Amino acid sequence: GAVVSQHPSRVICKSGTSVKIECRSLDFQATTMFWYRQFPKKSLMLMATSNEGSKATYEQGVEKDKFLINHASLTLSTLTVTSAHPEDSSFYICSANRLSYNEQFFGPGTRLTVL
Amino acid sequence: QQQVKQSPQSLIVQKGGISIINCAYENTAFDYFPWYQQFPGKGPALLIAIRPDVSEKKEGRFTISFNKSAKQFSLHIMDSQPGDSATYFCAATVFFSGTASKLTFGTGTRLQVTL
Repeated sequence: GAVVSQHPSRVICKSGTSVKIECRSLDFQATTMFWYRQFPKKSLMLMATSNEGSKATYEQGVEKDKFLINHASLTLSTLTVTSAHPEDSSFYICSANRLSYNEQFFGPGTRLTVL
Repeated sequence: QQQVKQSPQSLIVQKGGISIINCAYENTAFDYFPWYQQFPGKGPALLIAIRPDVSEKKEGRFTISFNKSAKQFSLHIMDSQPGDSATYFCAATVFFSGTASKLTFGTGTRLQVTL
């Protein structure tokens, strides 16, 4: 149990376009999901905390208008990278907290490449 | 005060040897310390975790040692295998039941187990 999926696993887009990444908890409900960004050979950097039915909380330095987060249900959160630029190319990972537990289960990640 | 320092940055161990990764934290409010294993191109997976009320936790070949007074904890991988070759992240958080808490990650250790 406690499986988290992400879609797509890889995406290549042109500069200026928007890309949506989905994060789903497949077999449990998650009131909170987290979005991370990871550069090659680096640690995970928390971008934002997504709470079901409310606005996301962004970490300092993360542009909320660029990285739009929606947590519409207890099993789905989406991250939309708006007007993507090459510097947005990265590995994006989500995690989900199971209700009544304080343990994060991570998705497999999404590799975004902006040309 | 939120940092978690991890060492070494990389580690090469022969098959059958013991891999040891160390972490140190500053925030005394942290009370949950998980270790994650990440393979290239994949999301992190929880390996083992410890609360500060115990000094050691063992699961199979993986052991966490915890020193509360020194604010240090370490991961020991016994009988290391080539399949253990991955990046390992320590993390720390404040564990509130029913409330999702942010993880503070260490910088990661790239482990290579040679034949």
